[in-house]
Amino acid sequence: NAGVMQNPRHLVRRRGQEARLRCSPMKGHSHVYWYRQLPEEGLKFMVYLQKENIIDESGMPKERFSAEFPKEGPSILRIQQVVRGDSAAYFCASSPLQGGNTGELFFGEGSRLTVL
Amino acid sequence: EDKVVQSPLSLVVHEGDTVTLNCSYEVTNFRSLLWYKQEKKAPTFLFMLTSSGIEKKSGRLSSILDKKELFSILNITATQTGDSAVYLCAGHSGAGSYQLTFGKGTKLSVIP
Repeated sequence: NAGVMQNPRHLVRRRGQEARLRCSPMKGHSHVYWYRQLPEEGLKFMVYLQKENIIDESGMPKERFSAEFPKEGPSILRIQQVVRGDSAAYFCASSPLQGGNTGELFFGEGSRLTVL
Repeated sequence: EDKVVQSPLSLVVHEGDTVTLNCSYEVTNFRSLLWYKQEKKAPTFLFMLTSSGIEKKSGRLSSILDKKELFSILNITATQTGDSAVYLCAGHSGAGSYQLTFGKGTKLSVIP
């Protein structure tokens, strides 16, 4: 049973370009969460999605960031017009239910975005 | 704003030592406290704690929660080099969505 798959693992963009990060949840999981980890900081919640629905986007910056989880295909975190401050590791997690019966979220290995 | 503070931020011990990692939290509508281990890759789940005073154990690792004092500890006995990792503590707010507030982590280095 494959775990949470994220790609790309590493992405380099110049200021002003767009970054697209993809996340395929574990098989059978319908809940996806995105977290951002800045250098020397803890993981920060960004957004929680179910298939075709954004449930909680309270952690998303108001501009340039968007997320989707279509009926078919992976969840995508999209960052438009990237700036240097967007450089971070972006982690995706999934669960079969809201948080799972044990509260366990299954994390992917992260996508590391570097903005030049 | 919810807050989770871990201490120490880093720790170096010798194999065989016992370590205690600390986590204090301020989380609205607190539901649970979770511990994760993060090596160079994905954070992996260790424990979820919801009730005060009930110790959870998994091999050489154990954890306990104090909901009155708003803290948790993670103990690792007879440490091994494979325990070297960043240990993350997270508070779960039950307010509407499964949103975890993470601390910055404790970086544990176990040297032979």
